[in-house]
Amino acid sequence: ETGVTQSPTHLIKTRGQQVTLRCSSQSGHNTVSWYQQALGQGPQFIFQYYREEENGRGNFPPRFSGLQFPNYSSELNVNALELDDSALYLCASSLGPLGTEAFFGQGTRLTVV
Amino acid sequence: QQPVQSPQAVILREGEDAVINCSSSKALYSVHWYRQKHGEAPVFLMILLKGGEQKGHEKISASFNEKKQQSSLYLTASQLSYSGTYFCGTANNAGNMLTFGGGTRLMVKP
Repeated sequence: ETGVTQSPTHLIKTRGQQVTLRCSSQSGHNTVSWYQQALGQGPQFIFQYYREEENGRGNFPPRFSGLQFPNYSSELNVNALELDDSALYLCASSLGPLGTEAFFGQGTRLTVV
Repeated sequence: QQPVQSPQAVILREGEDAVINCSSSKALYSVHWYRQKHGEAPVFLMILLKGGEQKGHEKISASFNEKKQQSSLYLTASQLSYSGTYFCGTANNAGNMLTFGGGTRLMVKP
């Protein structure tokens, strides 16, 4: 039990819709990173939030956006959903950016139809 | 550019050893190793930092060769619980982005 919780666990959306995924970080962790994992592939880095600011971003379009709140929980928002957005979305919390171990949540399985 | 892992898959008998390699076309600043079992979240195994510092886990060790831009994960006396997909992730120099490889699927049989 890592203490990182994500909601919802599964979600089905229609192409063009918007979705918000949530992540509660482990107690004391101030950094949250979001990843997209397609079936059979490694996680792809979307972005990282550190102390409520976006601290780094991968190669994802602007329709992927995020927030981090004062309690360090985080949201991932995806606008104008496309079929290729169907994937497992993982968040990982850590104490500080990438120099420390990260604890992953179980993920949200998003299906876009 | 994601790091390249090899082999893509390996099958072992309990007690056998395995090596998983991770190669990068870019300079390595730190390498992060995770294991993911089917339907579960990735679990941290190890970080190797430039300069040689490493933080380990269980009977698993790793090496970090800055010149060759490679890291290797060594699994000794494998156990059934070692089965899963192993991912290496390489961090950029700012330490704010982690790029994972495609994974190595490891199956340990009795």
